[in-house]
Amino acid sequence: EAQVTQNPRYLITVTGKKLTVTCSQNMNHEYMSWYRQDPGLGLRQIYYSMNVEVTDKGDVPEGYKVSRKEKRNFPLILESPSPNQTSLYFCASSFRQGQNYGYTFGSGTRLTVV
Amino acid sequence: AQTVTQSQPEMSVQEAETVTLSCTYDTSESDYYLFWYKQPPSRQMILVIRQEAYKQQNATENRFSVNFQKAAKSFSLKISDSQLGDAAMYFCMQTGTYGGSQGNLIFGKGTKLSVKP
Repeated sequence: EAQVTQNPRYLITVTGKKLTVTCSQNMNHEYMSWYRQDPGLGLRQIYYSMNVEVTDKGDVPEGYKVSRKEKRNFPLILESPSPNQTSLYFCASSFRQGQNYGYTFGSGTRLTVV
Repeated sequence: AQTVTQSQPEMSVQEAETVTLSCTYDTSESDYYLFWYKQPPSRQMILVIRQEAYKQQNATENRFSVNFQKAAKSFSLKISDSQLGDAAMYFCMQTGTYGGSQGNLIFGKGTKLSVKP
């Protein structure tokens, strides 16, 4: 089944403890991206990747890191999480950006930082 | 900076009736794509409909259609014959096609739609 898989679905962690949220797609998509969703703010883009080894900042990149060493995976890294990073996170992918392929989203990761 | 505005935080519709959700956007590009995504309580993001800016014809997907007004930068979603399963948060989204904004996806803040039986 074609899908974007995010793990974990739920995570509670403490301030300052490094964590990684994984994102993997099995559709050979070139484009992948990360978003956070907060009440009243919609989805805001954190980082995106147009292809392997190519990443760029979105609207809210502070406090996050990403890497794209292989096409299928695009992990989101929080080196030192803080409570203001408590949010619902989504990963999405598309066959090729800049064309009308639409986007496939993962099921989301609910992160709580205490 | 590109922005997408959904001016209706919440909307309500009677089952079987028609409802229109508003979306306006601001971009300096001439070519771009517009989308409506639905997010039910399961929180999964589901593509409802898409529109290419260079196409004048409004997109239609079964009970869902858009009114795309390029000059006014407006992209409203019409849901006909509303069903209980249409109850969800709806997000309008815009993305570029080339240049520096190609990788950016810009979402509105969402409209929560309730459907009354």
